[in-house]
Amino acid sequence: NAGVTQTPKFQVLKTGQSMTLQCAQDMNHEYMSWYRQDPGMGLRLIHYSVGAGITDQGEVPNGYNVSRSTTEDFPLRLLSAAPSQTSVYFCASSYSGAHSYEQYFGPGTRLTVT
Amino acid sequence: AQKVTQAQTEISVVEKEDVTLDCVYETRDTTYYLFWYKQPPSGELVFLIRRNSFDEQNEISGRYSWNFQKSTSSFNFTITASQVVDSAVYFCALSEAPGSGGGADGLTFGKGTHLIIQP
Repeated sequence: NAGVTQTPKFQVLKTGQSMTLQCAQDMNHEYMSWYRQDPGMGLRLIHYSVGAGITDQGEVPNGYNVSRSTTEDFPLRLLSAAPSQTSVYFCASSYSGAHSYEQYFGPGTRLTVT
Repeated sequence: AQKVTQAQTEISVVEKEDVTLDCVYETRDTTYYLFWYKQPPSGELVFLIRRNSFDEQNEISGRYSWNFQKSTSSFNFTITASQVVDSAVYFCALSEAPGSGGGADGLTFGKGTHLIIQP
């Protein structure tokens, strides 16, 4: 099993550009989520999905879109990048929710918006 | 709303000392789950432990131990005989039971404690 994979590992964008951060898992997990990590802030939930076709907002959803067309994939779209979106982004998955025994985290994507 | 407070921003100790990382949480739910994660300098998040609110037994795993006290809403983490490899940022996190309170189904993280173990 590859676990949770994220691409790209690093990305630099100009303000206003759009892009998609990819996240995939091969563990047949129903629950997937996106977090952002900023210095001194811990991780904050952006969006999550409890199954294919179902998504919902977390604590900091503004400026981000998600969709879940398959169980395996949960891409995060930045519609018009802003410097405030400079962060490290982590994707996570688990069997049935954030309360599950373990969240499996991807390696992260470091995004810089200039 | 749920909240996790890790008041210690940074702790520095000499190798072989014992160190305790504090975690205080707030939640209105009676059913909830507490976690600790380790983030070494390489950046990945490593799961350490999960506890549910009905299990207040302390847990020991090698040099690691956890003390869960509902009376003080705390879930502290102790490393005994610390080693340089323990140097990392440690996060405490909370998840409420699914469907409770209508809130988002996700982990609420503390801001982390940066632990430095000096040789």
